[in-house]
Amino acid sequence: TQLLEQSPQFLSIQEGENLTVYCNSSSVFSSLQWYRQEPGEGPVLLVTVVTGGEVKKLKRLTFQFGDARKDSSLHITAAQTGDTGLYLCAGRSRGSTLGRLYFGRGTQLTVWP
Amino acid sequence: GAGVSQSPSNKVTEKGKDVELRCDPISGHTALYWYRQSLGQGLEFLIYFQGNSAPDKSGLPSDRFSAERTGGSVSTLTIQRTQQEDSAVYLCASSLGPSGPISSYNEQFFGPGTRLTVL
Repeated sequence: TQLLEQSPQFLSIQEGENLTVYCNSSSVFSSLQWYRQEPGEGPVLLVTVVTGGEVKKLKRLTFQFGDARKDSSLHITAAQTGDTGLYLCAGRSRGSTLGRLYFGRGTQLTVWP
Repeated sequence: GAGVSQSPSNKVTEKGKDVELRCDPISGHTALYWYRQSLGQGLEFLIYFQGNSAPDKSGLPSDRFSAERTGGSVSTLTIQRTQQEDSAVYLCASSLGPSGPISSYNEQFFGPGTRLTVL
């Protein structure tokens, strides 16, 4: 059973387009993180959101945590070829600040020139 | 300083053999995690160490899997009598642990992984 459902699984777009990736769950999380992973490497943390309704911006990337802390979204504006990679969301159980992360299956993003 | 390192980077073995995978965490990180990533899947949690003890080993898929950590640093994941379904990338991560600042949210830093192929 996958605790976090990510959609879409694959996304192929042209440079300059906008896109949104979704991460949904029926469980409440104390925090939710977004990672980006490139081939042959481990995931690298992009952002952590902890407050329901929180919005964080990282240049062209906008992250939102749902009001109920069960879901999150990642929006990329004017995608670039360098944004290509596997985007993973991961949550930490409610009340927990240590221990395991629960990962979604990831969204493989390909941006074409 | 250096990041999380893992060895070997690739391991090809025959079904039924034992394998050992090694993880060197970031110096000073007391928490260490093992995850497994199969093709098309997200990261599957295996085990979490705090210091040398493992408060959460709930993700180990069978008793063929074991892990230890000595001196609060290096960790070894051992898979006995490997099966083809064990083929995956095994990722290790470390974090500051309970002594880290709240603002870090105990960020996990990942190594590059060991790609295990069981023939």
